[in-house]
Amino acid sequence: SAVISQKPSRDICQRGTSLTIQCQVDSQVTMMFWYRQQPGQSLTLIATANQGSEATYESGFVIDKFPISRPNLTFSTLTVSNMSPEDSSIYLCSVEQGGAGTQYFGPGTRLTVL
Amino acid sequence: GQNIDQPTEMTATEGAIVQINCTYQTSGFNGLFWYQQHAGEAPTFLSYNVLDGLEEKGRFSSFLSRSKGYSYLLLKELQMKDSASYLCAVRDASGGSYIPTFGRGTSLIVHP
Repeated sequence: SAVISQKPSRDICQRGTSLTIQCQVDSQVTMMFWYRQQPGQSLTLIATANQGSEATYESGFVIDKFPISRPNLTFSTLTVSNMSPEDSSIYLCSVEQGGAGTQYFGPGTRLTVL
Repeated sequence: GQNIDQPTEMTATEGAIVQINCTYQTSGFNGLFWYQQHAGEAPTFLSYNVLDGLEEKGRFSSFLSRSKGYSYLLLKELQMKDSASYLCAVRDASGGSYIPTFGRGTSLIVHP
């Protein structure tokens, strides 16, 4: 499976600021995905990022709050804008691989907003 | 969307066998995944079922019954390191999306 890295691994941020999370994959992939996992909850898909096109956002998530870039086939960024304590969560990127379309996850970014 | 139901928490003894159930409702079933997630870490892929029956992979096995909307993950010869959250994820292709939806996960505690 692909090797996926994320930066930063964790951060503590002040309310009202923004944080950009980077996701790097060691192979070219068509689609990359961004998930959020709030404490004690399961994974919630934020958006799907295809190279060369606008990201597709799930219900409840908007581009102004979570702008995404996908400049090439191995890299993507997710920005959490104008943060509030409710944004405190783990943010994970993932890619699909294999015939079954299995999702493989990066190590995650643990965000705490004060 | 899918309604995915798993027990919130289970406990078991080292060396024993535990079965974690997952039920789901979907109109266009297209595969079920099990993931393991240790505290503070990302989910790791365990198994994939798309046809009825049992898939065995070492100490872990996964079963699927599409007619019953039911799957289970069976963990044998439990080890302390198996203490983790186990996530069931279901893919429903009826809406044109092939991205699985995740359940809330079952927190498994293995004690000596």
